[in-house]
Amino acid sequence: SAVISQKPSRDICQRGTSLTIQCQVDSQVTMMFWYRQQPGQSLTLIATANQGSEATYESGFVIDKFPISRPNLTFSTLTVSNMSPEDSSIYLCSVARGGRLGPANYGYTFGSGTRLTVV
Amino acid sequence: QKEVEQNSGPLSVPEGAIASLNCTYSDRVSQSFFWYRQYSGKSPELIMSIYSNGDKEDGRFTAQLNKASQYVSLLIRDSQPSDSATYLCAGQKTSYDKVIFGPGTSLSVIP
Repeated sequence: SAVISQKPSRDICQRGTSLTIQCQVDSQVTMMFWYRQQPGQSLTLIATANQGSEATYESGFVIDKFPISRPNLTFSTLTVSNMSPEDSSIYLCSVARGGRLGPANYGYTFGSGTRLTVV
Repeated sequence: QKEVEQNSGPLSVPEGAIASLNCTYSDRVSQSFFWYRQYSGKSPELIMSIYSNGDKEDGRFTAQLNKASQYVSLLIRDSQPSDSATYLCAGQKTSYDKVIFGPGTSLSVIP
């Protein structure tokens, strides 16, 4: 199954600044997904990133706050902009386990996550 | 109704017992279902997927799907302390659709 390298693993940031999180996949994938997991909560999908097109954002998430890049089929970045303490969360990228081999019937695999603390 | 619902727990079982985790879902997520295990401070790890009515077994894990009743369950036989984690149920409308996660159930296996 696809393997994801995500970085940074954690960061402490000042409010008002921005942080860019990177995910590198060891195989080509059509879609990459960005999730947020707030403390003690489940995963909430932020957006779906397709190569060559604008990311699709879920309700409650906007591009100005969470710009996403998808320059190729193995890489994506998520930026958390103008951060506030409410943005303190774990951010995770995810891809279909089967990579580009087929639909996501094999389930999804996750990067190791980025633990963000905004002070 | 939320798309995927679970009892938050915590669920405590003695070592060696069967742990039963349940999940219900709405029509928004009706095709594919996944169970993920998440240890504290770690990312979710897929342990089971199920798409058809009935049971699917993998080692000590059995997933059960009942589409008529819209529930999916996970049984863990011979529970071990290492099974102590949060278990996330997730569903998907179609193979290419987004995956929606439930709130998770915290399981504690007592030695």
